[in-house]
Amino acid sequence: NAGVTQTPKFQVLKTGQSMTLQCAQDMNHEYMSWYRQDPGMGLRLIHYSVGAGITDQGEVPNGYNVSRSTTEDFPLRLLSAAPSQTSVYFCASSYSSRDDGYTFGSGTRLTVV
Amino acid sequence: AQRVTQPEKLLSVFKGAPVELKCNYSYSGSPELFWYVQYSRQRLQLLLRHISRESIKGFTADLNKGETSFHLKKPFAQEEDSAMYYCALSGKGAQKLVFGQGTRLTINP
Repeated sequence: NAGVTQTPKFQVLKTGQSMTLQCAQDMNHEYMSWYRQDPGMGLRLIHYSVGAGITDQGEVPNGYNVSRSTTEDFPLRLLSAAPSQTSVYFCASSYSSRDDGYTFGSGTRLTVV
Repeated sequence: AQRVTQPEKLLSVFKGAPVELKCNYSYSGSPELFWYVQYSRQRLQLLLRHISRESIKGFTADLNKGETSFHLKKPFAQEEDSAMYYCALSGKGAQKLVFGQGTRLTINP
């Protein structure tokens, strides 16, 4: 049981490049979310999903796209990377956030130069 | 709207002293409150959830709906408690979890 797996762990992008951050969970969780963690800002919700085929925006969705074609996977796409997107990105999943809390991945540290 | 405020970015106490990390929230419905902890170089993990009213690693937290607070407390701090602590709120539908800004707790020997 791997839990929540994020790849890559580290990435450096040039401004304007695009890339996809991968997130997979093997716990059959319905809920999945993407957060970015910045000093002094805490964790801010980017996008979330309550099941396959259903996604919604969080607090800071601009510049990011998501899709949820399967229960297991929830990739985050940066369409045109900007220095302001330099951050640590966390994926999380939950069977039900009201009961069990979310399980987090180990994070992806992204630097945009 | 869901909002969580942790007024202290940094908190430093001596080993053996009591610890209180403050958390205030804003939510019009019935919230579910959580505390998450992130130790150095580790992923976030759930510490407490108010619905279970449990004590984990000596920490407790009580939901005060009148003051809209969910402060985290421990009577005697230990050095291994040094970490980043996040308060989080789940609202109606339980579909998303919103976090506060976090408090970095340092326990001095």
